[in-house]
Amino acid sequence: AQSVSQHNHHVILSEAASLELGCNYSYGGTVNLFWYVQYPGQHLQLLLKYFSGDPLVKGIKGFEAEFIKSKFSFNLRKPSVQWSDTAEYFCAVMPRRLGGYQKVTFGTGTKLQVIP
Amino acid sequence: DTEVTQTPKHLVMGMTNKKSLKCEQHMGHRAMYWYKQKAKKPPELMFVYSYEKLSINESVPSRFSPECPNSSLLNLHLHALQPEDSALYLCASSLNRSMNTEAFFGQGTRLTVV
Repeated sequence: AQSVSQHNHHVILSEAASLELGCNYSYGGTVNLFWYVQYPGQHLQLLLKYFSGDPLVKGIKGFEAEFIKSKFSFNLRKPSVQWSDTAEYFCAVMPRRLGGYQKVTFGTGTKLQVIP
Repeated sequence: DTEVTQTPKHLVMGMTNKKSLKCEQHMGHRAMYWYKQKAKKPPELMFVYSYEKLSINESVPSRFSPECPNSSLLNLHLHALQPEDSALYLCASSLNRSMNTEAFFGQGTRLTVV
């Protein structure tokens, strides 16, 4: 079974600071990777996804993530955060297997607080 | 329309009550899911429906009973719940069960069992 680790539980940054949130997964095969964001009082929204191809993926709102297969990592980055980025961020992994349901497993989440 | 709509947004129910949570999407998605999210925890999968048939039940107690009346609707019937069942219940949908698809989530129903 797959698992996902997000080592930063709570991150506090000032506006314009750079952001990197760590995500490591455990699974022996090929995976799809996702970052979801949950703004206060709102639903989970997809920030970006990696299925295959270029390991550097760009998402909405200036976020990007890099898949490093050798490190089983999919870290989320943003060069300059804004107060509106205050939210909880979830990394998720889905095994790529032909046929059948591919279960998505979420990490425990990282709460980002951006101070104006 | 890229929305998954859940009703109600909040629900308080007693342990002897019967209630239902509703979820609707009009994106033509054929896979729909129920997740449970406790405070400060990630969403945990409960059920998966694929083409209106129950595909996965993650060992959920029978006091939770899902139903998929058609390809756009997903219900979760609740009966004789316990206070520890209080949580945010999230519905999601995806195009199908194939490899390259992401899930779209609703805003959730915040359930309190008293």
